[in-house]
Amino acid sequence: QVQLQQSGPGLVKPSQTLSLTCVISGDSVSSNSAAWNWIRQSPSRGLEWLGRTYYRSRWYNDYAESVKSRITINADTSKNQFSLQLNSVTPEDTAVYYCARAPELNWFDPWGQGSLVTVSS
Amino acid sequence: DIVMTQSPDSLAVSLGERATINCKSSQTVLYSSNNKEYLAWYQQKPGQPPKLLIYWASTRESGVPDRFSGSGSGTDFTLTISSLQAEDVAVYFCQQYYTTSYTFGQGTKLEIK
Repeated sequence: QVQLQQSGPGLVKPSQTLSLTCVISGDSVSSNSAAWNWIRQSPSRGLEWLGRTYYRSRWYNDYAESVKSRITINADTSKNQFSLQLNSVTPEDTAVYYCARAPELNWFDPWGQGSLVTVSS
Repeated sequence: DIVMTQSPDSLAVSLGERATINCKSSQTVLYSSNNKEYLAWYQQKPGQPPKLLIYWASTRESGVPDRFSGSGSGTDFTLTISSLQAEDVAVYFCQQYYTTSYTFGQGTKLEIK
């Protein structure tokens, strides 16, 4: 079955860049029937979808308006993984970050294990 | 963005009793071209990621016990647990995938009475 394994730093300083990676097993990041998403969860904002990347003859990216100016999601086909970069972070970006697969651009299943990222000096 | 509002925020139900969680969307999530409701339900236990329970508003994910069921249409949806078990204690979320800017409900915390 599909499994997602996240990695990345748990502490980021304000104004710096948050970077996380999600390694895929059991599927391909280049799949024509899935999209690869980042979602975060915090007590103040709840579950918030951040963006996705997917391949349909070419690569597409969609981002949430709330982070559109600061976010980049990339796929690495050689390592079968995708990554999140969030620039110019503030304490409001402190959250548990999840990667998740969306079959046919729909619901999210499965999810990665989650990564708590704290923005603090 | 479509706003998803769940009710109640928390719920305490006795073991073996029925639990009902509601979810209301600020606009329809029915896609008329295929007559499908673009709504999912998740269960989240402490320290774990959300787990998919229901998609297309009423289709149970493989392996999910049949005491879980989803219903509703348009803007009003319900997750029902027919006979509450101790392992069902969790927070439950609804989510719309009708628009690319996916949104979730705020969550309903389900406890044992």
